[in-house]
Amino acid sequence: QSVLTQPPSASGTPGQRVTISCSGSSSNIGSNYVYWYQQLPGTAPKLLIYSNNQRPSGVPDRFSGSKSGTSASLAISGLRSEDEADYYCAAWDDSRWVFGGGTKLTVL
Amino acid sequence: EVQLVESGGGLVQPGGSLKLSCAASGFTFSGSAMHWVRQASGKGLEWVGRIRSKANSYATAYAASVKGRFTISRDDSKNTAYLQMNSLKTEDTAVYYCTRLVGTSGGFDYWGQGTLVTVSS
Repeated sequence: QSVLTQPPSASGTPGQRVTISCSGSSSNIGSNYVYWYQQLPGTAPKLLIYSNNQRPSGVPDRFSGSKSGTSASLAISGLRSEDEADYYCAAWDDSRWVFGGGTKLTVL
Repeated sequence: EVQLVESGGGLVQPGGSLKLSCAASGFTFSGSAMHWVRQASGKGLEWVGRIRSKANSYATAYAASVKGRFTISRDDSKNTAYLQMNSLKTEDTAVYYCTRLVGTSGGFDYWGQGTLVTVSS
């Protein structure tokens, strides 16, 4: 049981916009930044979004993050086949880092 | 180019020990907090623990699931972080990643390729 709650799956067709939600509590998302990681099959996670809505250099602006209260969302616009991956949200929680259970994104 | 390379994984019996290494290059290792994150097969990511820099007294912190059994250390002269795992349990079976935390709000920006630890009799 993960501390942060994500839907196990999401899907969309090429070109569509999809969003992935991440629900937490006042001790994590409610009082700290949210981060998003993308994990392609068989590879290590990659930082996608930091500090709620900032993109590291090299991450396309098709990816965007937002946060409101104790929830956060990752939006992917102009969906592409290479976006098919697992996505994880993360936040600091008191004295530890916590992750969501992950959302498997399928591009139909 | 930033690189993190883990090594030391393998098969170990329950109750046994294993020491993982994470060799870093391409950035100022001594000034960075280093973390370990694990992932059981088909499962999500789980934070294991971290060690801060010398400037932050090499402070360590651990997940409740490994506290008292795992120890994180570092050798800045070798640009290497370590994860000593004792009293291993079958539920510790996972791919272990080392990763760097950038600043205080930048997230885990670089990850190693991971090393597989299998705890089984």
